Amino acid sequence: AQSVAQPEDQVNVAEGNPLTVKCTYSVSGNPYLFWYVQYPNRGLQFLLKYITGDNLVKGSYGFEAEFNKSQTSFHLKKPSALVSDSALYFCAVRANSGYSTLTFGKGTMLLVSP
Amino acid sequence: DAGITQSPRHKVTETGTPVTLRCHQTENHRYMYWYRQDPGHGLRLIHYSYGVKDTDKGEVSDGYSVSRSKTEDFLLTLESATSSQTSVYFCAISEGRDNQPQHFGDGTRLSIL
Repeated sequence: AQSVAQPEDQVNVAEGNPLTVKCTYSVSGNPYLFWYVQYPNRGLQFLLKYITGDNLVKGSYGFEAEFNKSQTSFHLKKPSALVSDSALYFCAVRANSGYSTLTFGKGTMLLVSP
Repeated sequence: DAGITQSPRHKVTETGTPVTLRCHQTENHRYMYWYRQDPGHGLRLIHYSYGVKDTDKGEVSDGYSVSRSKTEDFLLTLESATSSQTSVYFCAISEGRDNQPQHFGDGTRLSIL
């Protein structure tokens, strides 16, 4: 069975500082990995994905994520946080073969203070 | 934003009543999904569809049924609602299943008293 762990329920960072939201995964074979963001009373919005190739993936709104196969991690990063980045972030994984569906982590609330 | 409309956006009903939630898309995507979101659980897949009249169960399908008679519409039915089904329900769509991102509607907040 595949799974995703987001070890922090909440991450606090000051505006202008770098941010990291952690994600580790477990899957049979190679993964497809995704990050989504959710603002209050809205659905999830796609940020970025890792399929294959370069381990550093760039996405929307200045976010990027680093795939590390040996550590089975896919941490979300941004060099300089904005107050408007405050939201709920979800990591998701599925195997790149077979008929598995997407499995989401429980989410990490990011709070950026002015 | 992807053209996904969920209806109703809010609903309050009583235990034992049937409830149907609707998801309508204008993107002509093949795959459609129903998730529920609960605190501490993230999103969990209820059912999904890979074409008209083609559906399959997800992680938490007990107590739910779905139907897809047209590409654009995916219905989720709670035959006899229970308080444990109080949740926020999200519909999502994707062009393909493998490495295609899913795009989400804005959800239906369902309260069962």
